[in-house]
Amino acid sequence: DTGVSQDPRHKITKRGQNVTFRCDPISEHNRLYWYRQTLGQGPEFLTYFQNEAQLEKSRLLSDRFSAERPKGSFSTLEIQRTEQGDSAMYLCASSPRSGTGGSGETQYFGPGTRLLVL
Amino acid sequence: AQKVTQAQTEISVVEKEDVTLDCVYETRDTTYYLFWYKQPPSGELVFLIRRNSFDEQNEISGRYSWNFQKSTSSFNFTITASQVVDSAVYFCALSEGKKTSYDKVIFGPGTSLSVIP
Repeated sequence: DTGVSQDPRHKITKRGQNVTFRCDPISEHNRLYWYRQTLGQGPEFLTYFQNEAQLEKSRLLSDRFSAERPKGSFSTLEIQRTEQGDSAMYLCASSPRSGTGGSGETQYFGPGTRLLVL
Repeated sequence: AQKVTQAQTEISVVEKEDVTLDCVYETRDTTYYLFWYKQPPSGELVFLIRRNSFDEQNEISGRYSWNFQKSTSSFNFTITASQVVDSAVYFCALSEGKKTSYDKVIFGPGTSLSVIP
C-alpha cells in the first residue's frame, strides 16, 4: 500500500517564475488537503478537495495560487509569479472520509515539496 | 477560534531519559479531535495518535503514552526511555467535529526534541 507521494521533492526558482507541484493521494482517498509550512512553524491549511470539488480555500491562498484535482485523483498546486515569501514546504495530505462534515478522520501526509524562491 | 499551544520550543534529553511534551488546546466545540504527529529531519509528517473529545482514556503504545485531560484542555505526550531515533519535531494538532467542518487540522508550533547519545 503506497502512501501519499509528491513531486518534485525540491524546487528552486527565481522570483517571478511559475511553479507547479503534484500530489498523488493514497488510492481511493476522497479528501485531499494542501498545507504550507514555513521554517520553525507548524503546517497551515491552504485548501481542501472532496473528490474533484474544491470546497474550501484559506485566506493564505492568494490569487497567485491555484489548485486543481481534475478527476478526483491527483492534485496540482500552481503558484504564479512567485515571490520570496512563497519559500516554504508545501505538504499534501489525504483521508478516506467521504461526504461532508467533520469526523476527525486521520490525514496522511506526503513527504512535501520544498520550494526556494531566489 | 481554535488554537493549539506547545510552550516548549526545544527540548534536549540524554538517551534513556523520559520526556514529556506539553500541548494545550482551545476550542468552543464539544466534539473535536486531537492528534500528535512526528516530523523527522526528512520532513515527512508521521501520524502517531488520534483521540476524540469523548474519550479521555490515557493511551500507551510501546514507549509512547498520551495523557488527555479535558479539565485543563491538555493532551500531553510522554516518551519513556528515549532513543536517538526519537529526535524530531513533534506537532500537536486539533480538528473540529461539527457538520460544517471538513477536518481542517490546526497545528501547534511544534516542539523540537533532541535525544543525545
